[in-house]
Amino acid sequence: DIQMTQSPSSLSASVGDRVTITCQASQDISNYLNWYQQKPGKAPKLLIYDASNLETGVPSRFSGSGSGTDFTFTISSLQPEDIATYYCQQYDNLPRTFGQGTKVEIK
Amino acid sequence: QVQLQESGPGLVKPSQTLSLTCTVSGGSISSGGYYWSWIRQHPGKGLEWIGYIYYSGSTYYNPSLKSRVTISVDTSKNQFSLKLSSVTAADTAVYYCARASGDLSKFDPWGQGTLVTVSS
Repeated sequence: DIQMTQSPSSLSASVGDRVTITCQASQDISNYLNWYQQKPGKAPKLLIYDASNLETGVPSRFSGSGSGTDFTFTISSLQPEDIATYYCQQYDNLPRTFGQGTKVEIK
Repeated sequence: QVQLQESGPGLVKPSQTLSLTCTVSGGSISSGGYYWSWIRQHPGKGLEWIGYIYYSGSTYYNPSLKSRVTISVDTSKNQFSLKLSSVTAADTAVYYCARASGDLSKFDPWGQGTLVTVSS
């Protein structure tokens, strides 16, 4: 299985701050990576696919980059409604695997 | 737009079989072009992919669960189902159904999830 490792596991930032989350794959997955947002008590929601493509309707403050084994997810200006846990997910191989999540809180 | 809704018992006894159904509305499973998936989340933990099914019945399962999992589809009811046999407390989780893209790459949308507790 491909292991996905996210860091940090949690972070606290102020409204308006730039927030960056990294995701590292245990092997080369090209750009076969998605990012999801899960708000408390809710189902995950797809934000970014193919490492850097913004899903329709997702605010432009969210972005993704990377290829190979190292990926980055960025919120350019943190908003109160962005409080959630964010997960990366690879689709290079079966079984599909997710990172362990990064919990984002407001300072 | 497509919506998914999980249903089934919230409490299952150890060694028994967990059975859940996902009802799809706003779109037809038999239209093709998408796979349908089950994903679970242990309490306070990350996400674990369980498997996919196509409307034709073709399936892919997570090898870690393959010996205990069956995913089936009922196109007449626009539903797909999950059966997980010989459950233990380790199978306690929120179970989500989700639509997967035709290339099996992404999950969107998801159902709201249903908590299944394994306990005597």
